[in-house]
Amino acid sequence: AQSVTQLDSQVPVFEEAPVELRCNYSSSVSVYLFWYVQYPNQGLQLLLKYLSGSTLVKGINGFEAEFNKSQTSFHLRKPSVHISDTAEYFCAVSEEEGGSEKLVFGKGTKLTVNP
Amino acid sequence: DSGVTQTPKHLITATGQRVTLRCSPRSGDLSVYWYQQSLDQGLQFLIQYYNGEERAKGNILERFSAQQFPDLHSELNLSSLELGDSALYFCASSPDVAETQYFGPGTRLLVL
Repeated sequence: AQSVTQLDSQVPVFEEAPVELRCNYSSSVSVYLFWYVQYPNQGLQLLLKYLSGSTLVKGINGFEAEFNKSQTSFHLRKPSVHISDTAEYFCAVSEEEGGSEKLVFGKGTKLTVNP
Repeated sequence: DSGVTQTPKHLITATGQRVTLRCSPRSGDLSVYWYQQSLDQGLQFLIQYYNGEERAKGNILERFSAQQFPDLHSELNLSSLELGDSALYFCASSPDVAETQYFGPGTRLLVL
C-alpha cells in the first residue's frame, strides 16, 4: 500500500518569502501525484497534479511542484507567498486497486503566512 | 466552486443514532468517492462508486454503508454512531475511475 509523508506539520513564513512544503511517497512504480489546499472551514481544492511528462508542474495561485522519481518526492513551492495562502496543504498519491483509483493523503502541512 | 455539492453542511446528533449524508457529483461525473477527515486519522478513503456500482472499499466501518443512485447522486449512511465518528466527511467525483477527483465542501458531523 502507498503511503505519503509530509515532513512538516506546520510551516510559518513571512509574507513575500519563498516557501517549500515537502512531500515524499512510498511507491517506486508509476504514480499520479496531487497537491490539494484546504482553506479554513472549506473543502479541498486541487492545486496541481502530476500524471506524466514534465517533472515541473505548475498549478493555481502561483504554486508549482517538482516530481523527483529517484527521491520519491513531490515538493510544493511558491517563490513569494501572500497572507491569503494561509491554509492546510495536502499531498496525495493515487493508488490503483482492483481497477479503481483511490487517493492516499499525507497528514497535511499547515502553512501560516505572517505579515 | 468544484461543482460537487454536499448536504447538510453540519450535523449534530447523539450516540447510537443514524444519519445520512448526501452528495451530488459534478455534472457528467460517473465516479463518486467518500473520505473521512478526523484529527487523529487524517484524510482516509472510505468507499467509491462508479455508475451505481461499488468499485472500491477503504477503511470503512461495517456500521457505515453507501450507495449511488441512477441519477448518480450518492448517500453515505452512518449508523450506531459513536463519539469517534465525529469528523468531516468529504465526497469527491471524477469523470471516470482514474481521473482527477474534485471535492465537495464536506459535511461536518458532531456526535454528542
